[in-house]
Amino acid sequence: KAGVTQTPRYLIKTRGQQVTLSCSPISGHRSVSWYQQTPGQGLQFLFEYFSETQRNKGNFPGRFSGRQFSNSRSEMNVSTLELGDSALYLCASSPTGLSPEAFFGQGTRLTVV
Amino acid sequence: EDQVTQSPEALRLQEGESSSLNCSYTVSGLRGLFWYRQDPGKGPEFLFTLYSAGEEKEKERLKATLTKKESFLHITAPKPEDSATYLCAVPSNDYKLSFGAGTTVTVRA
Repeated sequence: KAGVTQTPRYLIKTRGQQVTLSCSPISGHRSVSWYQQTPGQGLQFLFEYFSETQRNKGNFPGRFSGRQFSNSRSEMNVSTLELGDSALYLCASSPTGLSPEAFFGQGTRLTVV
Repeated sequence: EDQVTQSPEALRLQEGESSSLNCSYTVSGLRGLFWYRQDPGKGPEFLFTLYSAGEEKEKERLKATLTKKESFLHITAPKPEDSATYLCAVPSNDYKLSFGAGTTVTVRA
């Protein structure tokens, strides 16, 4: 059974640019969550999607957005990148979002210069 | 808001030297407590779910326990391959996980 796939694995962007990250959940999983991980703040919740609907959003500015497609694949977008957006962005999938375990992808390492 | 605190921040162990990691939590209603292992540059790997005080789960050299206010991850006779950051998290009723900052364990041969 394939795991959670995130693309790309690494990304370098310039301040002011925008970026789109992709996440393909485990087959059959309909809930996809996104987290930002930095050394100072740890893992912070960005948002969660289920059946193309955003059910919760964390305390991040509106520059951070996401969506989910009918095949459960999800994308997140960050516009007007800032240096502080440099982080490991992690995607997690679970069958319903209420399941005990969330399975994480390898993450996308975003560096903003 | 749910809060999760882990201690210590870092732990350096000699191979075979058993120790414990702590995860204390403050939640409005516990819906489970999860332990993850994270290797550098990788996503967290699920280890255990605990639901009620007194519950214990084991996997190889790891054993997780739960009380009403905290959870412990015991590492028995660790090996260098147990070196990683161990994270605990609690789920909310609105589909998010609140994570602790993690404990980075280094096991020297």
